[in-house]
Amino acid sequence: EAQVTQNPRYLITVTGKKLTVTCSQNMNHEYMSWYRQDPGLGLRQIYYSMNVEVTDKGDVPEGYKVSRKEKRNFPLILESPSPNQTSLYFCASRPGTSVLEMYNEQFFGPGTRLTVL
Amino acid sequence: RKEVEQDPGPFNVPEGATVAFNCTYSNSASQSFFWYRQDCRKEPKLLMSVYSSGNEDGRFTAQLNRASQYISLLIRDSKLSDSATYLCVVNKDFGNEKLTFGTGTRLTIIP
Repeated sequence: EAQVTQNPRYLITVTGKKLTVTCSQNMNHEYMSWYRQDPGLGLRQIYYSMNVEVTDKGDVPEGYKVSRKEKRNFPLILESPSPNQTSLYFCASRPGTSVLEMYNEQFFGPGTRLTVL
Repeated sequence: RKEVEQDPGPFNVPEGATVAFNCTYSNSASQSFFWYRQDCRKEPKLLMSVYSSGNEDGRFTAQLNRASQYISLLIRDSKLSDSATYLCVVNKDFGNEKLTFGTGTRLTIIP
């Protein structure tokens, strides 16, 4: 089944304890992206990747890191989580990155609900 | 002004009615527009892309008005299963790397 998977789905942690949220897609998509969703603010883009070893900042990258060593995986790393990073996180992927493919659908993972105490 | 603005609702609409949402965007250079649907506590899923000429998919019709910088979504003959939050999505630049999501319009279809 074509899908985007995220792990863990739920996580409660404490301030300063490094964590990684994994994201994997099995659709051979070039483009991957991370978003956070907060009440009243909608989804905001954290980082995105156009292809392996190519990553760039979105709107709210502070406090996050990403890597894209393989096409299928795009982990989100919080080196020192803080309570303001408590949020619902979504990973997404999309086939192709050319302008001709600008209407391609983004496929979202099921979400990771993170609470930082 | 927000980059993408939607009426948050909630819209409570009887089954079978027609409902319409608008979404305004601030960046006149935006090229691609979408409506996504999000069920409670679930991931967003693409409902429709919005093309310049407008497009229709069954009971759903999307329109783009570049002059006034808004997109619209019309749902005809609404079903209970249409209850969800509808997200307006606009690209930030000519490519599609950065997308801006509206905060969503919540729709509840009442039996």
